[in-house]
Amino acid sequence: AQSVTQPDIHITVSEGASLELRCNYSYGATPYLFWYVQSPGQGLQLLLKYFSGDTLVQGIKGFEAEFKRSQSSFNLRKPSVHWSDAAEYFCAVGARPGGTSYGKLTFGQGTILTVHP
Amino acid sequence: DADVTQTPRNRITKTGKRIMLECSQTKGHDRMYWYRQDPGLGLQLIYYSFDVKDINKGEISDGYSVSRQAQAKFSLSLESAIPNQTALYFCATSDLGGELFFGEGSRLTVL
Repeated sequence: AQSVTQPDIHITVSEGASLELRCNYSYGATPYLFWYVQSPGQGLQLLLKYFSGDTLVQGIKGFEAEFKRSQSSFNLRKPSVHWSDAAEYFCAVGARPGGTSYGKLTFGQGTILTVHP
Repeated sequence: DADVTQTPRNRITKTGKRIMLECSQTKGHDRMYWYRQDPGLGLQLIYYSFDVKDINKGEISDGYSVSRQAQAKFSLSLESAIPNQTALYFCATSDLGGELFFGEGSRLTVL
């Protein structure tokens, strides 16, 4: 069964500092990987996704993530955090087309990001 | 207008009541999902549907049922609500690309 672990429940950074949110997954083959962001009172918005190819993926709002197969990780990074980045972030894993689980995503527990001025 | 619309956005009800949460989408996607979000648990899949005639249970389907009335409509029902079903519920859609598109959520409180 697929699973996702986000080890950090809550992270606090200062505005302008760099950010890395960790994500580890368990999956029997090469997965589809996603990062979503949820602002208070909002639904989830896709930041970026990895399907294949270049393991460094660029997303919206200046975020990037790197797929490391050897470490089963897909960590999210941003060089300089803005106050508007304060939100909850979810990593998710899904199956590739052709499998019985295709189309269903499994989410991590989420990481709450607080940004200090 | 939002591509994925959920109604109601907020609902307070009492134990034992029947509740329906509705979802409609204008994205033209065949696949629709209901997820439940609890603090510290992330999102858990309740039910999903890959087309109008296809309904599947997710991880936490007990106490819930669904109806896919049309390609664009997917409703979630709690036949007899209980307090531990208090949560934030999300409807989502996807195309063959695998990415989910979420509604804004329905907050349900069961007293």
